[in-house]
Amino acid sequence: GQQVMQIPQYQHVQEGEDFTTYCNSSTTLSNIQWYKQRPGGHPVFLIQLVKSGEVKKQKRLTFQFGEAKKNSSLHITATQTTDVGTYFCAGLGGAGSYQLTFGKGTKLSVIP
Amino acid sequence: DSGVTQTPKHLITATGQRVTLRCSPRSGDLSVYWYQQSLDQGLQFLIQYYNGEERAKGNILERFSAQQFPDLHSELNLSSLELGDSALYFCASSGPSSYNSPLHFGNGTRLTVT
Repeated sequence: GQQVMQIPQYQHVQEGEDFTTYCNSSTTLSNIQWYKQRPGGHPVFLIQLVKSGEVKKQKRLTFQFGEAKKNSSLHITATQTTDVGTYFCAGLGGAGSYQLTFGKGTKLSVIP
Repeated sequence: DSGVTQTPKHLITATGQRVTLRCSPRSGDLSVYWYQQSLDQGLQFLIQYYNGEERAKGNILERFSAQQFPDLHSELNLSSLELGDSALYFCASSGPSSYNSPLHFGNGTRLTVT
């Protein structure tokens, strides 16, 4: 079945440093979604990428979807303590697939 | 507030028992998803319903079953519980175009099996 791998599993950064998490799928994706889960909370939708090579920005967050639609990344510039949480990518399989498969997530800790 | 309601928030039960988790989707959402999240683990997809019909099935154990009712609320039934079933169970819903719509998660039900 479809697998979505996400690295790294954990990342500790000093406040102000940049952070990147990577997501790779074993199959071509229709789209990829990113979610953030704060400690003790539930996943919250951040963004969806659909087109090959798509890049989207939300303030300090930059999301990319690979040309082959099998990989994606989330980059945070100048991390803040409010960025703490686990970031999940979730891939929707090819045509006719309704299953959204989540990666295991990257847990970000920000040291003030 | 995501608009997705899950009850109960916490559930503590013994091995071998059966429990039912309940989910009310956001108003207007037709799709309901169930995910299991164990400690420091990702979100394991269990099952999806769309307008009362099962649409996709993930790694759901035979001891687990779910359904979506005509009013669109959903229930996840877990039976013959084992210690390893202890986890956070999330319900999520998505809009009419479930193919491309983002998921809105409830606050989850934390199940502890002793």
